[in-house]
Amino acid sequence: AQSVSQHNHHVILSEAASLELGCNYSYGGTVNLFWYVQYPGQHLQLLLKYFSGDPLVKGIKGFEAEFIKSKFSFNLRKPSVQWSDTAEYFCAVSLNTGFQKLVFGTGTRLLVSP
Amino acid sequence: EPEVTQTPSHQVTQMGQEVILRCVPISNHLYFYWYRQILGQKVEFLVSFYNNEISEKSEIFDDQFSVERPDGSNFTLKIRSTKLEDSAMYFCASSEEGPRTGNTIYFGEGSWLTVV
Repeated sequence: AQSVSQHNHHVILSEAASLELGCNYSYGGTVNLFWYVQYPGQHLQLLLKYFSGDPLVKGIKGFEAEFIKSKFSFNLRKPSVQWSDTAEYFCAVSLNTGFQKLVFGTGTRLLVSP
Repeated sequence: EPEVTQTPSHQVTQMGQEVILRCVPISNHLYFYWYRQILGQKVEFLVSFYNNEISEKSEIFDDQFSVERPDGSNFTLKIRSTKLEDSAMYFCASSEEGPRTGNTIYFGEGSWLTVV
């Protein structure tokens, strides 16, 4: 069955540190890939998505992600985090055919200390 | 930015009671969804709804669950006889097109259901 793995459950960084959150999926077909963020007390918001084209995707708030098809990965990066990036980050996948749903990873809680 | 709105934000109910969670999707969207997140676990798909009928549902979405679009704006999730394990955050979501097109799904803030 289709699944999404996020290897880091909790990440603690200091401000200005670089961030990379891992995401791997298990599906051999064509996929759409998403990163959502959930700030404390708020709803899930889309950070960025990959549908087709350039595998390096830039999103809001300085985030980017790279789709590496051979590794089934879609890691999220930010060169310099801020305290306001403290949130939970979810990777999600949808298939290009079949079910109209997102499959989420378990999420990564990021704490950025000032 | 348009938002998906959900009510109530938090509900406590006794086991066996019926619960209705309400959602107002973004107005021009055609696909509607319910997801849930049990504390400490993944966000899980429950059901998708398009053209006034369920288009897909997960194995979680059994006979105790139902969805309805009673009017042009609301989208509801009913849990007929709640169980302790139904305690979770329930997210409503909507999108213009289905996610297999890469279309963005917009989520509400969630309704936290506690069954006691």
